[in-house]
Amino acid sequence: SQTIHQWPATLVQPVGSPLSLECTVEGTSNPNLYWYRQAAGRGLQLLFYSVGIGQISSEVPQNLSASRPQDRQFILSSKKLLLSDSGFYLCAWSWVVGNTIYFGEGSWLTVV
Amino acid sequence: AQRVTQPEKLLSVFKGAPVELKCNYSYSGSPELFWYVQYSRQRLQLLLRHISRESIKGFTADLNKGETSFHLKKPFAQEEDSAMYYCAPGEEAGGTSYGKLTFGQGTILTVHP
Repeated sequence: SQTIHQWPATLVQPVGSPLSLECTVEGTSNPNLYWYRQAAGRGLQLLFYSVGIGQISSEVPQNLSASRPQDRQFILSSKKLLLSDSGFYLCAWSWVVGNTIYFGEGSWLTVV
Repeated sequence: AQRVTQPEKLLSVFKGAPVELKCNYSYSGSPELFWYVQYSRQRLQLLLRHISRESIKGFTADLNKGETSFHLKKPFAQEEDSAMYYCAPGEEAGGTSYGKLTFGQGTILTVHP
């Protein structure tokens, strides 16, 4: 069966510090991978989308970047965090064909 | 641009009462519609999708293309239905944005005993 894990679960970082959230998927190959963010009072916003190694689509302009160094690994990064980067970040995957998305546990980021 | 509106951030009902979570969308083309749910301390997960025309945990959702709505309904709410619910339209198969869902802001449903 397929599993998805992301870490860390919670993170408190000062403004201007770097960020790295990691996500891995097991039990499948060549999945579509996603990073979503839920900010306070807002819905889930798609940040990045990847259909393969090294292929990243950015959905919204922002202070964050994503990378996919391996088929089942997806990393969300920032060189310098802003207060507005605080939120709940969700990694997710889907089959290449299919709209059903499977989510990770999520990571709470608080920028102070 | 794709847009989805869930007008109620909070919805409270008593056990056994009917419940309806509203969802309206604005979407180019013919979207597929989904409801996702997040129970306390659990992951966000798929509840149902309109093309399946199925009832999951007593919930149903009818796609009304004329009104561009996809409301989630259950005739008799249970306490275990308390959760956050997200409506999500996505592009149908063959579209360039297939697989990228647009989520609403979510509705927190609380079912009181």
